[in-house]
Amino acid sequence: DAMVIQNPRYQVTQFGKPVTLSCSQTLNHNVMYWYQQKSSQAPKLLFHYYDKDFNNEADTPDNFQSRRPNTSFCFLDIRSPGLGDAAMYLCATSREGHTQETQYFGPGTRLLVL
Amino acid sequence: DAKTTQPPSMDCAEGRAANLPCNHSTISGNEYVYWYRQIHSQGPQYIIHGLKNNETNEMASLIITEDRKSSTLILPHATLRDTAVYYCIVRVDDSNYQLIWGAGTKLIIKP
Repeated sequence: DAMVIQNPRYQVTQFGKPVTLSCSQTLNHNVMYWYQQKSSQAPKLLFHYYDKDFNNEADTPDNFQSRRPNTSFCFLDIRSPGLGDAAMYLCATSREGHTQETQYFGPGTRLLVL
Repeated sequence: DAKTTQPPSMDCAEGRAANLPCNHSTISGNEYVYWYRQIHSQGPQYIIHGLKNNETNEMASLIITEDRKSSTLILPHATLRDTAVYYCIVRVDDSNYQLIWGAGTKLIIKP
């Protein structure tokens, strides 16, 4: 089945040690999103790619970066994780530019910062 | 800021219809109402969306009031697996394709 895959499901890193989370998709969608979700809160959009065009949310900290080397893969890089960055990170995809198009989410990667 | 208001929690008996309300009084004419749900420790799952007409699919029905200021998601025969947080979302009709998430309703289905 076509899907959005996130690995690993759980990631432990040390305070200040760079970490990369990965997302891949078999849906061939051209828009990919990264969300941060803290406990008991709704997901918060960090940024998205429309094809290769990167779109950063205004309040996304500089500590968060992203790469999309091809249509299928997208990475979230946290350059210097702080304790406040511990959260669930969700990747989502959608089809090109259609207002009604739904977003398909992966299972998420839960990040723990020690 | 969220454009939707939902009750923080609801209970429903298994087998009964679950009716989840949502207020979106500031919705614009070209903004869609979306519903997603999130089962514990999983990614959100799309349920249904609509603009002004009522919609139904295999998962649920969406009833939107004529003035579009509120809507109700109906799960016709709730099961224990429907226990989740249900998010009512306004879809901003611009190039950012943003979903403006509300706080969600924690729906607990009881046997």
